[in-house]
Amino acid sequence: DIQMTQSPSSLSASVGDRVTLTCRTSESVRSFLNWYQQRPGKAPKLLIFAATNLETGVPSRFGGSGSGTDFTLTISSLQPEDVATYYCQQTYLFPAFGRGTRVEIK
Amino acid sequence: QVSLVQSGPEVSKPGASVKVSCKTSGYNFTTYGITWVRQAPGQGLEWMGWISAYNGNTNYGHKFRGRVTMTTDTSTTTAHLDVRRLTTDDTAVYYCARGRPGGEQWLATWGQGTLVTVSS
Repeated sequence: DIQMTQSPSSLSASVGDRVTLTCRTSESVRSFLNWYQQRPGKAPKLLIFAATNLETGVPSRFGGSGSGTDFTLTISSLQPEDVATYYCQQTYLFPAFGRGTRVEIK
Repeated sequence: QVSLVQSGPEVSKPGASVKVSCKTSGYNFTTYGITWVRQAPGQGLEWMGWISAYNGNTNYGHKFRGRVTMTTDTSTTTAHLDVRRLTTDDTAVYYCARGRPGGEQWLATWGQGTLVTVSS
């Protein structure tokens, strides 16, 4: 199975900060990598699909990059409503999620 | 608009089975499959499997093969998840989800989740 590592496991940043979350896979998943946001008590929400594509309706401060084994989700200017856990998901082989990164406001 | 509405919370005993339903609306049911994802309390997301609503083909995660059955009913546009031989480790919120155009695993629409509690 493809192993997935998200880092950091949690972070605290100020409103307006640029925040970078990373997801690394144990072997290449090409661009078969998605990002989800899960607010407390809510279902996950698709943010980015196929590594770089912004889902309809998602604010443009969210951006995805990477291919192969290293991927990044960037929030260009952190907002209070971005407090959530963010998961990456590879769909190259049997789909699987990373363990998540919890984002908090400082 | 596309909507997935799941059945209510369940409490089951170890060794029993549970069935969770996912009623869909707002699209042609057979055009997309349904993916099931679960989340144990305080834990991350776990992909369980996928079923085609077109022909019933399934793809189960290794961990769930032999203990989980996914089905669809085109007459009611509903997907079902059966989990057998429950243990306390199966206590979780179970989600159904649907892909977006172009990608079955680009999970753009989710149900509200169903809490399954396994306790003696």
